[in-house]
Amino acid sequence: QSALTQPASVSGSPGQSITISCTGTSSDVGFYNYVSWYQQHPGKAPKLMIYDVSKRPSGVSNRFSGSKSGNAASLTISGLQADDEADYYCIAYTISSTPVVFGGGTKLTVL
Amino acid sequence: QVQLQESGPGLVKPSETLALTCTVSGGSISSGGYYWSWIRQHPGKGLEWIGYIYYSGSTYYNPSLKSRVTISVDTSKNQFSLKLSSVTAADTAVYYCARVYGSGSLWFDPWGQGTLVTVSS
Repeated sequence: QSALTQPASVSGSPGQSITISCTGTSSDVGFYNYVSWYQQHPGKAPKLMIYDVSKRPSGVSNRFSGSKSGNAASLTISGLQADDEADYYCIAYTISSTPVVFGGGTKLTVL
Repeated sequence: QVQLQESGPGLVKPSETLALTCTVSGGSISSGGYYWSWIRQHPGKGLEWIGYIYYSGSTYYNPSLKSRVTISVDTSKNQFSLKLSSVTAADTAVYYCARVYGSGSLWFDPWGQGTLVTVSS
């Protein structure tokens, strides 16, 4: 079982917005703003989409945004497009025995 | 920009040691603030962090794999490596290497394309 909890799947229609949650504890998500999000298309390597909770790397669409409240972080994708269909993972720094924890991943389906 | 490429055998026999190398291009593995990580993904499953290393040689491992994992760095070749001992079929996975920014933050970018390692006799 992954240390960070994500829903197994979410879905939305083109043009809609969806939100993926990433729930941890006060030792990881809630401790620092060191939460990042990754998009992975089938057969491809993960791609960084959000870091430090809400910052976007250069080249990432502003349709992707991140936020955090307490021990839960969220990734919101607005104006859904077909190419957004992928798996999404959250990763966070943790002060526990291991310095990093991963979420179990969420499969986004664009209907 | 920095690019990473995994290399190594795609087939390993049970009980043997899996050995992979990640070659870094477009930047120095000795750059301060970055760690160099291995992550794996079992077929159809999520990502699993294996560990990472700083250019100085400091290492951090996933406790669940720590007894079998060794990550090392060769700054002269701009490479870092993974060794996983006593492998079983459960170690069959796609193995990724990635750069980790870990100075006042934590994010993995870029990633290598990944390499499938199958454990089978």
